[in-house]
Formats: sequence, structure tokens, C-alpha cells
Amino acid sequence: SQQGEEDPQALSIQEGENATMNCSYKTSINNLQWYRQNSGRGLVHLILIRSNEREKHSGRLRVTLDTSKKSSSLLITASRAADTASYFCATDRGGYQKVTFGTGTKLQVIP
Amino acid sequence: DTGVSQDPRHKITKRGQNVTFRCDPISEHNRLYWYRQTLGQGPEFLTYFQNEAQLEKSRLLSDRFSAERPKGSFSTLEIQRTEQGDSAMYLCASSLAQVQETQYFGPGTRLLVL
Repeated sequence: SQQGEEDPQALSIQEGENATMNCSYKTSINNLQWYRQNSGRGLVHLILIRSNEREKHSGRLRVTLDTSKKSSSLLITASRAADTASYFCATDRGGYQKVTFGTGTKLQVIP
Repeated sequence: DTGVSQDPRHKITKRGQNVTFRCDPISEHNRLYWYRQTLGQGPEFLTYFQNEAQLEKSRLLSDRFSAERPKGSFSTLEIQRTEQGDSAMYLCASSLAQVQETQYFGPGTRLLVL
């Protein structure tokens, strides 16, 4: 079963706008990660945030984590057409625990 | 190319046939994972290996599914007596076991059972 749920399920924006997607999860976590998947392809790791971190940046990406609300958000600033993809959050509980993926947000950036 | 590779990339088979997929992880990675992904869903965990030991199996992995990693390097996933419901993308990922675990994914094998 899926651990997390992304919101919205789909998002369509104009190039240059910011895109925000949210992830909610059910159990306590050790790490939360965001992945991108282009249509029909494998997943690409974007960023990892640990449970004791609240915010992390990587280039145009900004991730926040609120463990009290069991939620995370991914912000992509100044979006580009190449950002069109599905975005998944994934959580783990540390040690030998498996990584569990959410249901994904499908982002379309219109040129 | 030193990424995760999977073979074949596509497989079409008839119901009842057996299929086997191969995954070659990044060479120094000791953890290897198999996931299944259906259209519009996130990847669902099937099983994972630490070196050659299979440490966890999902309940999704029925008796018709078996995975091996005999020498702690490449892994195979076999599906026996395939069913139409097995049609999906099968993804392999590898990682280096450490506190922060980033999994690196292969391109996947897309299976279609007719």
C-alpha cells in the first residue's frame, strides 16, 4: 500500500511560474525524499530531507518538512517545460526499513 | 554508463508463460530493490536484498514471484504462470546502505501479459 499521498494529483502551470506540490504520510519517518519520473521512465532522485530538518534547498527546488503534521511540500521555482513530469515523495523509517512511495503529482509546464 | 541497468526494457508474453527480468545495480551498491508500478500509481515495494540476502518481501510478492541475487551483484526477478494482472513496469533500484539512503533507479522493464 502507498504510505503517502501527493496533492494535487495533477497540476498545470505556465512556464516561469512556481509549482508547489504537497505530500502527506501516515507513520513516523526517518527520511523523506522527492523523486521525479518522466513519462514511462525510471525515477530520478531530487532531494532528501531528514526528519530533524525543516527545510532544504537544491537549485530551483525547495523542500519543507513538518513532522507534526506529517507533511512535506516541494516547491519548484521559475518552472521550465523540461520540469514536466510526475513527482513522488518517498519515506523510510530508517535501518532496514523499505522506502514507501506516494501516489504522485503529475506536473505539466506549458511553454 | 555506471547507472542501474535492466534487461529487457520491454517484454510481451502470453498468459501462463514464465518471464525473467535482470537488474544490474551500481557496482559498489550493496542494497538492491524491486518495485512494481502500474499506470498512474507510485512504485510499490516488492522485495529487497542486502548483498545476497533477501531481507524483506512484500505481500504483493505471491508464490509465483521469486527474486534472487546469488552473488550479491546482479539480481533476477522471475514471474511464473503470468497473469494479465502482472502487466506493469518493474523497477529496480540500488543504494549504498548508510544513514541517508538514496535509491538510484534503473529504466524499468515494461511487461505486457496478453
